[in-house]
Amino acid sequence: GAGVSQSPSNKVTEKGKDVELRCDPISGHTALYWYRQSLGQGLEFLIYFQGNSAPDKSGLPSDRFSAERTGGSVSTLTIQRTQQEDSAVYLCASRWTTHSYEQYFGPGTRLTVT
Amino acid sequence: GDSVTQMEGPVTLSEEAFLTINCTYTATGYPSLFWYVQYPGEGLQLLLKATKADDKGSNKGFEATYRKETTSFHLEKGSVQVSDSAVYFCALSDPNTGNQFYFGTGTSLTVIP
Repeated sequence: GAGVSQSPSNKVTEKGKDVELRCDPISGHTALYWYRQSLGQGLEFLIYFQGNSAPDKSGLPSDRFSAERTGGSVSTLTIQRTQQEDSAVYLCASRWTTHSYEQYFGPGTRLTVT
Repeated sequence: GDSVTQMEGPVTLSEEAFLTINCTYTATGYPSLFWYVQYPGEGLQLLLKATKADDKGSNKGFEATYRKETTSFHLEKGSVQVSDSAVYFCALSDPNTGNQFYFGTGTSLTVIP
């Protein structure tokens, strides 16, 4: 595609519900990254994929967070039993490979937990 | 571990003023360094990069030099414009950590006419 796309663009959910956030990377990009940007904060690394595998899951804040990637393309970030502190913008980025210099970011999903 | 420290904001400047946003880094390997920009309501975009020591990245009048001796990558622009108002993020990519990106906390810049 033309760029990294994410859906939904906005999500409002009640505390305790599960949510799924989707990322479609640029076609052919093998590396995919998830970040969280909280209000007034920088980017917090969550997880990255090389192909379908996730060599580094150390950034996931708790076991309520999980992510998968299938077919070396689309990735889904799932947050179970959402809490108010999960409210943030979730950003996805892709790279041609992990050795490429540039990451291309999607527009993000703004998650609000009420 | 790897990390990036950048100047706290917010920064407010008058149009045509000189801009410096400081960035220093810690890395175990020989990282590549980046500045990303996030305009209001938009996603992050790469502004410039430098992949080895003494390289100078430049774009849109902005420039930054990779200084290994001071582990710094300060962003500069000689004459800012209102359209430069945005949040600027310094970042590094370290081949020793699978080329994961590490970002600074961001510096908000507002340029007033």
